[in-house]
Amino acid sequence: GQNIDQPTEMTATEGAIVQINCTYQTSGFNGLFWYQQHAGEAPTFLSYNVLDGLEEKGRFSSFLSRSKGYSYLLLKELQMKDSASYLCAVLDSNYQLIWGAGTKLIIKP
Amino acid sequence: IAGITQAPTSQILAAGRRMTLRCTQDMRHNAMYWYRQDLGLGLRLIHYSNTAGTTGKGEVPDGYSVSRANTDDFPLTLASAVPSQTSVYFCASSVREASYNEQFFGPGTRLTVL
Repeated sequence: GQNIDQPTEMTATEGAIVQINCTYQTSGFNGLFWYQQHAGEAPTFLSYNVLDGLEEKGRFSSFLSRSKGYSYLLLKELQMKDSASYLCAVLDSNYQLIWGAGTKLIIKP
Repeated sequence: IAGITQAPTSQILAAGRRMTLRCTQDMRHNAMYWYRQDLGLGLRLIHYSNTAGTTGKGEVPDGYSVSRANTDDFPLTLASAVPSQTSVYFCASSVREASYNEQFFGPGTRLTVL
C-alpha cells in the first residue's frame, strides 16, 4: 500500500527554526510537494522537489532523499502567521497526489 | 473570477437527500479533482478528471458521482447523502503536465449530513 508519515503536531517558538519530517512509501515517485493550510482555509503550494537535495525559497526550505524515502520542510525565523498545518504529498507513478495527514505547527511567542 | 470557486460555502443536508457541489475554474487547467478532508486524515481523492469528457475514480468514490462536460466545471453529486459524508470538500485543478502537477485548491465546501 501507499503510505506517507508525518508528525501529527509540533510546537516551536517565534523566531526559532523548525524541521517537519515526512517519510513515504509509494508506488512510483514523480515528485514531492509541501502545502500549507491555515485553519478553515484551502491548502496552498509551498514547494516541489523531484531531485535529491535542498530547495530554498526565502524562509522556507525543502529537502528530499529519494533513496531514503524522506523529505523535510525547514522553516526559519518563525512568525506567528506560520501557525498552520503542513501537508506532505507524493506524486505517484499514475501522477496522482498521495497526501499525508498533515502536521499541525503551533507557534508560541 | 480568478482561480477556483466552489459553491455552496457550507450546507446542512438531511440524510437521503441529493446534493450537488459546484466547482468552476478559469485557469484553463486540464485536470480537476475532488477531495474530502476529515479530521486526522489526509486529503482523500474522490474523483478526478484529466481532461474534459473523461473522469476517473479516486480512493473513496462510493456514493459520489462527477461529470466533466467542459474544461471549466466539475460538479460533484451525492445521490443519497449519508452522515458519513459529513466532511469538508475541496475541488482542485492542475495543468497536468507529466513531470509537474501543482494543484490549486478552491476554498472548500463544509457539508453536514444529519
